[in-house]
Amino acid sequence: AQSVTQLDSQVPVFEEAPVELRCNYSSSVSVYLFWYVQYPNQGLQLLLKYLSGSTLVKGINGFEAEFNKSQTSFHLRKPSVHISDTAEYFCAVSDHGGGYNKLIFGAGTRLAVHP
Amino acid sequence: GAGVSQSPRYKVAKRGQDVALRCDPISGHVSLFWYQQALGQGPEFLTYFQNEAQLDKSGLPSDRFFAERPEGSVSTLKIQRTQQEDSAVYLCASSLDQGRNTEAFFGQGTRLTVV
Repeated sequence: AQSVTQLDSQVPVFEEAPVELRCNYSSSVSVYLFWYVQYPNQGLQLLLKYLSGSTLVKGINGFEAEFNKSQTSFHLRKPSVHISDTAEYFCAVSDHGGGYNKLIFGAGTRLAVHP
Repeated sequence: GAGVSQSPRYKVAKRGQDVALRCDPISGHVSLFWYQQALGQGPEFLTYFQNEAQLDKSGLPSDRFFAERPEGSVSTLKIQRTQQEDSAVYLCASSLDQGRNTEAFFGQGTRLTVV
């Protein structure tokens, strides 16, 4: 069975500093990878996704992620964070088995940006 | 509205009560998913509909959980004889089709508290 591990439950960072949120997955088949953001009392919003092709994926709000097949990782990065980036971030994987994107999520990483 | 709408936003139920949670997907979206998000955890897949057909219910935790989408649009998740362990946020997501390049849009969720 697939699983996703987000190595940090909380990441504190100062405003305008760079940040990396780590994600590792376990799967023996081709996978699709996603990062979602959840602001307080809101639903999940897609930040970016990797389906195939270039291993560096750019998303919204200045975020990017790099797919590393050998390390089974899909870490999320931003070169300079803002206070408004404070939220919960979820990494997810889908094998598209059955022809639909059934998502398996990690436990989440809470990003806290301090002034 | 333009997004996925869920109601009620909050529900408090006494243990043993039945509850019904509603999801209005984006108009025209073929695929509909239900997820359960326990406190401090990532969402976990419950069930998937393609139009009115429930193609995957592998994530439903017990036979007390039942979901339907009779006309291929609005969906209802019903929980019978609620237990304290059912307390969670229930998220609904819809996507235009089941293709791999299709983004899933999430609602704000229904927070269920069983007392």
